[in-house]
Amino acid sequence: KNQVEQSPQSLIILEGKNCTLQCNYTVSPFSNLRWYKQDTGRGPVSLTIMTFSENTKSNGRYTATLDADTKQSSLHITASQLSDSASYICVVSEYFGNEKLTFGTGTRLTIIP
Amino acid sequence: DVKVTQSSRYLVKRTGEKVFLECVQDMDHENMFWYRQDPGLGLRLIYFSYDVKMKEKGDIPEGYSVSREKKERFSLILESASTNQTSMYLCASSEVRGETEAFFGQGTRLTVV
Repeated sequence: KNQVEQSPQSLIILEGKNCTLQCNYTVSPFSNLRWYKQDTGRGPVSLTIMTFSENTKSNGRYTATLDADTKQSSLHITASQLSDSASYICVVSEYFGNEKLTFGTGTRLTIIP
Repeated sequence: DVKVTQSSRYLVKRTGEKVFLECVQDMDHENMFWYRQDPGLGLRLIYFSYDVKMKEKGDIPEGYSVSREKKERFSLILESASTNQTSMYLCASSEVRGETEAFFGQGTRLTVV
């Protein structure tokens, strides 16, 4: 069964610090990997999307990496801000004629002043 | 600005009621999806649609049905609501294929009492 596992489950850091969130997956055949940010009570919003051939992609203070050989991805947040407090969800897509998405359960990040 | 709009942010329904959750997208996307999100389980796919009047079961379709009479609108129907259907429901849309982003609505928090 295709799975996406994220760690840690939750994380608390001080404002201004950096952090890294992890995602391991077993989805095959792999199409792409996405990171979403979900504020409490809202729908997820896309941060990055990476295909097999990409190993890093940035979106402002967010940098995602992908190692397709080990089936691992990370999301690095630089100089965290209070507004970064949210759940971060790793989503892996398999392509079978149409895309099928498998969602991780997310990492709950809390930034404290 | 792309938009996926769900008709309600919060709903409270009684057990046994028939419940309609509506979703409209303004991006002319072919694909539309309904997910439910529960703590510790991530997003799980209920139903999806790749075209008007077309529907496919996702991972957890039991107790639900859908309707897609127009390209921009995808409805989720709970034929007889039960307490175990209390959840956050998220609608999403995307283009047909490729490394395209899935856009999510703001979510509907449904409580069945």
